[in-house]
Amino acid sequence: DAKTTQPPSMDCAEGRAANLPCNHSTISGNEYVYWYRQIHSQGPQYIIHGLKNNETNEMASLIITEDRKSSTLILPHATLRDTAVYYCIVRVIQFDPGTASKLTFGTGTRLQVTL
Amino acid sequence: EAGVTQFPSHSVIEKGQTVTLRCDPISGHDNLYWYRRVMGKEIKFLLHFVKESKQDESGMPNNRFLAERTGGTYSTLKVQPAELEDSGVYFCASSQEVGENQPQHFGDGTRLSIL
Repeated sequence: DAKTTQPPSMDCAEGRAANLPCNHSTISGNEYVYWYRQIHSQGPQYIIHGLKNNETNEMASLIITEDRKSSTLILPHATLRDTAVYYCIVRVIQFDPGTASKLTFGTGTRLQVTL
Repeated sequence: EAGVTQFPSHSVIEKGQTVTLRCDPISGHDNLYWYRRVMGKEIKFLLHFVKESKQDESGMPNNRFLAERTGGTYSTLKVQPAELEDSGVYFCASSQEVGENQPQHFGDGTRLSIL
């Protein structure tokens, strides 16, 4: 799986949008971009994933550049409960049943949301 | 829908003893994964079950670790004998079989301390 690069830490004021960047310049055409987060003492929590189109769900939006070499996770209105470590992961597409692949975690971005 | 459940949440044992961790995946999820984070390191993949079969066990550190998933439901991870370097947080995750790139959903982990 392709390596990702994220800033080690970021701050965001509560109520503002948090924009978390990720560089994955060596991503292959058969790899998705996944975002997870880990709130202190909990397990990683799935946020969103995408291939090449922008995606939005109830938690966040994912913007992937046209060349797919980078992406940005957007939390539109950050709250204190969004303070966590955010992981950007690229993962090979699996088409064959029974071949779902592992996740490779990096060091992530520690997002601190402040009042 | 109940999430991934892990038991115990904490375990403290002495070096040389045996410990068994249990994971109950989300009902109907054929894919089950074990990961761990040791002190100061990143979350690392251990192994992947599809139903009761081991699909990928490339991350298992050594033969002191034994994972089973009899009947394709819950899974156990036994460490025997435990060593100091086995201390860390062990996470279990599950995902559906059908559907391309279904996300993995994690439990809150078992914190294992070896004294």
